[in-house]
Amino acid sequence: DTGVSQNPRHKITKRGQNVTFRCDPISEHNRLYWYRQTLGQGPEFLTYFQNEAQLEKSRLLSDRFSAERPKGSFSTLEIQRTEQGDSAMYLCASSLAGGRDNEQFFGPGTRLTVL
Amino acid sequence: DAKTTQPTSMDCAEGRAANLPCNHSTISGNEYVYWYRQIHSQGPQYIIHGLKNNETNEMASLIITEDRKSSTLILPHATLRDTAVYYCIAQDMNRDDKIIFGKGTRLHILP
Repeated sequence: DTGVSQNPRHKITKRGQNVTFRCDPISEHNRLYWYRQTLGQGPEFLTYFQNEAQLEKSRLLSDRFSAERPKGSFSTLEIQRTEQGDSAMYLCASSLAGGRDNEQFFGPGTRLTVL
Repeated sequence: DAKTTQPTSMDCAEGRAANLPCNHSTISGNEYVYWYRQIHSQGPQYIIHGLKNNETNEMASLIITEDRKSSTLILPHATLRDTAVYYCIAQDMNRDDKIIFGKGTRLHILP
């Protein structure tokens, strides 16, 4: 257990539905990242926050995706009008900016299946 | 970011040292070499990182060539729990942002 938690761990939804995932980072970490991972591939960066500010978004993050970190603690990732191509593992990670090792601590992920 | 290349898969006998190579011929002077691993159905886990000196911690050793164009991650006494995908990443520590993962090396530890 890295101290980063994600909920739910699994989500099955029908195409066209909206889904929301939650990430709770390690409490003192000011940076929070979202990644997506499909089968056989390494994780792909989606977006990251420093405190409550969203500092970078990947072009993978279409307008159906939105992420928030309203109080600089937990974060949510919402996908609207889900498509089958959204099926993937969604990983959250946190880090302390300027930390000694610059390591990111990953949660266990939320596996999304879009039928 | 520098591109890294790794073998797709490797096997290692339990109890032996696992040596995982990584090429990063275009690495820049301010980029560190990081290693993460991902055990099945879990998120990636940090292992070790280095700039130009060899590094060792409780999990592994990292050997970086003098020209910094390649490195080797060494798991000294591999166990079945070390079966995972291992990712080699070149990252500018001062930028402190996203990790660019490749496909990694799938390491199978054989009993």
